[in-house]
Amino acid sequence: QQQVKQSPQSLIVQKGGIPIINCAYENTAFDYFPWYQQFPGKGPALLIAIRPDVSEKKEGRFTISFNKSAKQFSLHIMDSQPGDSATYFCAARGGYSSASKIIFGSGTRLSIRP
Amino acid sequence: DAGVIQSPRHEVTEMGQEVTLRCKPISGHDYLFWYRQTMMRGLELLIYFNNNVPIDDSGMPEDRFSAKMPNASFSTLKIQPSEPRDSAVYFCASSLQGVGGELFFGEGSRLTVL
Repeated sequence: QQQVKQSPQSLIVQKGGIPIINCAYENTAFDYFPWYQQFPGKGPALLIAIRPDVSEKKEGRFTISFNKSAKQFSLHIMDSQPGDSATYFCAARGGYSSASKIIFGSGTRLSIRP
Repeated sequence: DAGVIQSPRHEVTEMGQEVTLRCKPISGHDYLFWYRQTMMRGLELLIYFNNNVPIDDSGMPEDRFSAKMPNASFSTLKIQPSEPRDSAVYFCASSLQGVGGELFFGEGSRLTVL
């Protein structure tokens, strides 16, 4: 119940395409869903986050779609660029606000072809 | 601020040797986390501290692993004796907003145990 399942494991998209990364969870107590971006040789960094009372959040070319009833959320990257090539992790906070741990998905290695 | 600083960036050692990884969190962040990243298991939380006190070490794999935080600006993760299966990238992260807040990761320490 504490897992966050992420797919696909890897993804290759042509420049300008819209990669979509999907995540699913079981625990309805999760109250915060961040996405982290990791470039090779670097640590992950917070990219965008959403709370379950919102169905969509956009920041620049990055959009999170959230389906509370299905317990699923996804990351879309509009007009993808080679510089977006990175590993993306979805995550969920275990509930009860900032007192709960962040649980990470398994990661998606995204490659944007020029 | 310089961000979370980890050392060494790369460590190659032989099985049975002691390994010490070091971390300096962002000044003012009172939560510190140690993560391990492998292809097979993704990002695993090993242990976290709040105000220099270990709060949850349930992710520490074995007694061979130990972590300390003697003061607010320094933490160590020690593996003794090291084994080839400990080969991974070890990340330190800090947070200002609690255990479920935004995590600021260092660049990691890549450990190879031969």
